[in-house]
Amino acid sequence: GAGVSQSPSNKVTEKGKDVELRCDPISGHTALYWYRQSLGQGLEFLIYFQGNSAPDKSGLPSDRFSAERTGGSVSTLTIQRTQQEDSAVYLCASRSDSLTDTQYFGPGTRLTVL
Amino acid sequence: AQSVTQLGSHVSVSEGALVLLRCNYSSSVPPYLFWYVQYPNQGLQLLLKYTTGATLVKGINGFEAEFKKSETSFHLTKPSAHMSDAAEYFCAVSDRSTGNQFYFGTGTSLTVIP
Repeated sequence: GAGVSQSPSNKVTEKGKDVELRCDPISGHTALYWYRQSLGQGLEFLIYFQGNSAPDKSGLPSDRFSAERTGGSVSTLTIQRTQQEDSAVYLCASRSDSLTDTQYFGPGTRLTVL
Repeated sequence: AQSVTQLGSHVSVSEGALVLLRCNYSSSVPPYLFWYVQYPNQGLQLLLKYTTGATLVKGINGFEAEFKKSETSFHLTKPSAHMSDAAEYFCAVSDRSTGNQFYFGTGTSLTVIP
């Protein structure tokens, strides 16, 4: 079956502009995660959605970052007034209901803020 | 919160030599444990995981890892390195009681020397 997909694969934007990054999880997966991976760094947790529960936003670095998940499926990560330090690869992952299941990662969106 | 330590951000081995990538976790209650591999410009892919049962787990591409509770470790090994093993490797844990959030190490970049 299809894996996790993300779009766009690359995004170049100017400082101050808003960007939207999209994630299509694996069908039927109730959990969805967003991470940020800066050059040479590990994964920084941003936000987590689980079913209809309120999302865990504890990793969002500032109020310029927001995310939503419509209909329990597709998710959009929005970064407002982008800054150069927002440049990174943004990874999305989804997981089934099972706590022992792994996350399945998308290929990521590489964001470059000029 | 959990923390994951990967000793050695860069590891180099000769082709055919043993690969050993170290991972230690912080919690007193053993979490679920995962190893992921990331090839250039790709998302993370699960290598193997430990949830319960036998403490030596085998994964894809000839990798295996052993959970050692007394050492709070989950080191990744492969008897004989192949050129195609060159990649970034991440250790991750998730809490057994909730399993919601994953905590990642900062990654180890593996170089295989011909």
